[in-house]
Amino acid sequence: DADVTQTPRNRITKTGKRIMLECSQTKGHDRMYWYRQDPGLGLRLIYYSFDVKDINKGEISDGYSVSRQAQAKFSLSLESAIPNQTALYFCATSSSGRGETQYFGPGTRLLVL
Amino acid sequence: QQQVKQSPQSLIVQKGGISIINCAYENTAFDYFPWYQQFPGKGPALLIAIRPDVSEKKEGRFTISFNKSAKQFSLHIMDSQPGDSATYFCAASSKTSGSRLTFGEGTQLTVNP
Repeated sequence: DADVTQTPRNRITKTGKRIMLECSQTKGHDRMYWYRQDPGLGLRLIYYSFDVKDINKGEISDGYSVSRQAQAKFSLSLESAIPNQTALYFCATSSSGRGETQYFGPGTRLLVL
Repeated sequence: QQQVKQSPQSLIVQKGGISIINCAYENTAFDYFPWYQQFPGKGPALLIAIRPDVSEKKEGRFTISFNKSAKQFSLHIMDSQPGDSATYFCAASSKTSGSRLTFGEGTQLTVNP
């Protein structure tokens, strides 16, 4: 979905390096999410933010941190990358309310050597 | 702990056949059940969703069947087409989780021509 963009689309890094994945949206949504996708494990929530000043841990936040720089921007950082963080990472957005559709970006494929 | 269990992990169907993907959940507070479709190289996108006040919802060739007592729901794709080949994720959310979704493990569907 062109309304949700992620950069970079692909990244190779080495163990111990700090990296940042960025997400921007033009949908005007207040809620943003970071997921990782692993084969056989589905999509697991890393962090989510319901507002610029509201950031919450998801089910697998260890080793990750986030920053909500503006309503439209939500960044995910790996402070010290490790090989088991090799995965496909997705950013998503939704508007306020329960049961609202989440709109996903195209994903970032990360390989940690 | 996976709160939403999805099966099968992969499914191969002939063109024109019926594809059936099943999900089971544990949390009785879940009250919104969407299915997302993901094509290779893309982010997931909402396909169809149901709330537990109805037992079935149909949109074109796609139908969700919901069994509240069994805590199960399934996606049926009628007259499956090669263009339906994708990964399908079931998900669930509750009032207390707001818009946070818990996803199943995913099913890779291949429809052979």
